[in-house]
Amino acid sequence: QVQLQESGPGLVKPSQTLSLTCTVSGGSISSGSYYWSWIRQPAGKGLEWIGRIYTSGSTNYNPSLKSRVTISVDTSKNQFSLKLSSVTAADTAVYYCARALIGWPFTYDYWGQGTLVTVSS
Amino acid sequence: AIWMTQSPSLLSASTGDRVTISCRMSQGISSYLAWYQQKPGKAPELLIYAASTLQSGVPSRFSGSGSGTDFTLTISCLQSEDFATYYCQQYYSFPPTFGGGTKVEIK
Repeated sequence: QVQLQESGPGLVKPSQTLSLTCTVSGGSISSGSYYWSWIRQPAGKGLEWIGRIYTSGSTNYNPSLKSRVTISVDTSKNQFSLKLSSVTAADTAVYYCARALIGWPFTYDYWGQGTLVTVSS
Repeated sequence: AIWMTQSPSLLSASTGDRVTISCRMSQGISSYLAWYQQKPGKAPELLIYAASTLQSGVPSRFSGSGSGTDFTLTISCLQSEDFATYYCQQYYSFPPTFGGGTKVEIK
């Protein structure tokens, strides 16, 4: 059974960089069969797709966040990571990591439990 | 950009009811639509993809239909564990986007 687990600071100061890691267990991130994504959800609101990475390191980002987002993968640790720079209060949200099959590249069958990141001084 | 209109935003229903949730697109997306269920404090769970394909392990009381611009999620016989918020998601146009959600509450 695949499991994804987000980790990282729950509080980030404005203008700083938000950094989160997603650890994948029960399967290899290097299998080549999946895209690995980040999705966020402000409290009481809907879901926003942030970006994704493939095992090769190839990435795609939401144009609305592209200038501030970096997603990377560490296959040796079975992890992928999110960095979001120059954060503001508008970036306060629950951040999820999720997996999508290559054949269905934007349909997410496994999700992490989510981690709340608050941007505040 | 594709505009998504999910309705209703709030649906009050009783156990055993048949409920339908609509997702309308501003332009055609073929069948590139998924539905998710989210319970409070939990991550979304994939119910349906490709508009009508049931994800493995999802009860058969859930079904999806539609193509082009109009899509529907139907729960044939609402169970207590189905009270949750439901989101549609289009993945025809990049970036993928989600509808505003429909909260199904106990009547």
